[in-house]
Parts: sequence; C-alpha cells; structure tokens
Amino acid sequence: NAGVMQNPRHLVRRRGQEARLRCSPMKGHSHVYWYRQLPEEGLKFMVYLQKENIIDESGMPKERFSAEFPKEGPSILRIQQVVRGDSAAYFCASSPTGLEGEKLFFGSGTQLSVL
Amino acid sequence: AQTVTQSQPEMSVQEAETVTLSCTYDTSESNYYLFWYKQPPSRQMILVIRQEAYKQQNATENRFSVNFQKAAKSFSLKISDSQLGDTAMYFCAFMKEGGSNYKLTFGKGTLLTVNP
Repeated sequence: NAGVMQNPRHLVRRRGQEARLRCSPMKGHSHVYWYRQLPEEGLKFMVYLQKENIIDESGMPKERFSAEFPKEGPSILRIQQVVRGDSAAYFCASSPTGLEGEKLFFGSGTQLSVL
Repeated sequence: AQTVTQSQPEMSVQEAETVTLSCTYDTSESNYYLFWYKQPPSRQMILVIRQEAYKQQNATENRFSVNFQKAAKSFSLKISDSQLGDTAMYFCAFMKEGGSNYKLTFGKGTLLTVNP
C-alpha cells in the first residue's frame, strides 16, 4: 500500500511563474490536507479538501494560491505569479474518514525554490 | 489560539542512551490531542506517538514514550535505547477536539542527533 505521493520532490521557479504541486493520497483516503513549512518553522495548515470540495481554506493566502481535489486524479496546489516568499516545503497529508483526532499520513513534501 | 513551544532547538545523545525532548503548549481547550512527529533527512513526516488529553495514562510505542502533564501543559517525548536511525527533526503538535479538528499546530522542532 503506497503512502502519500507528492511530486515533484523539488521545484524551481522564477518570480512570476506558476507552480503546480501534486498529491496522491493513500489508497482509500478521500480527505486531503496541505501544509506549508517555512525555513526553521513547523508546518502550518493551509487547506482541507475532500473529493471535489474545499472544506476549509482558512490557512491559504487570499491571493495567488488555489487548491483542488478532482473526482479523478491527484490533488493540486497551484501558486500563481510566485514570489521569493513562497519558497518553502509544501506537504500533503491524507486520512481515510476525516474523523476527529484521526491520524494524518504525510507525504515527503515538495520543496519549492523561487529564484 | 493554540501555541506549541519546543525550547530545545538541538539535542544530541549517544547511541543506546536515553533522551527526553521537551514540549509545552498553551490552550484554553479541555479536550484535545497531542502528537510527536519525526522528520528524518528524507523529509517525510512520520507519526511517532499520539496522546488523547482525556487519558491519564501516558502513551507508549516501543522505545518511545511520553510524559503528559495536563495541568502543566507539558508533553515531553522520551526515546530509550537511542538508535542512529532516530536522528531527525522532532515536532510536537496539538489538535483540538471538535470543530476544525484536522488543523495541527506544530512547534518549531528539535533537531536530534544520535552519535555512534
């Protein structure tokens, strides 16, 4: 049973370009969460999605950031017109039911570097 | 809002020895969950141990155990018989019960190095 798969592992973009980060949850999991880790910081919640629905995006910056989890295919975190401050590791996690206190299973993250 | 504080940015221990990592948190909630996650150089976040606040008994997973002091809002992690593979960043995390229960609040982490 493969774990949470994220790609690419490393992504380099120039300022103003778009970044697309992909996340395939564990088999049987329909709840996906995105977190961001800035240098020397803990992870911070960004958004929670179920299939075709955004449940909570309270941690997402209001502009340039969007997320989706389509019926088919991976979840996508999209950052438009990237700036240097977007450089961070972006982690995806998944869980089977979204129930309270449930364990989240994390991927290995995508390291985004903005030049 | 909840905060999680890990006061030890770095620690080291000799192989086979025991080490304790500190974590304190601040919350007005009475029911919640606490976690320790391990992040090795591969960067993957791995759940080490989980504690429900309503349980008085400290959680244990093989060589890993916690000392949960609810009144003091303290949640330390003890690693016994340290192994080279335990070298990693360790993050303490808080999740409140009910409502936005999927939002983990993380501390800044402690880098643990196990020396041969």
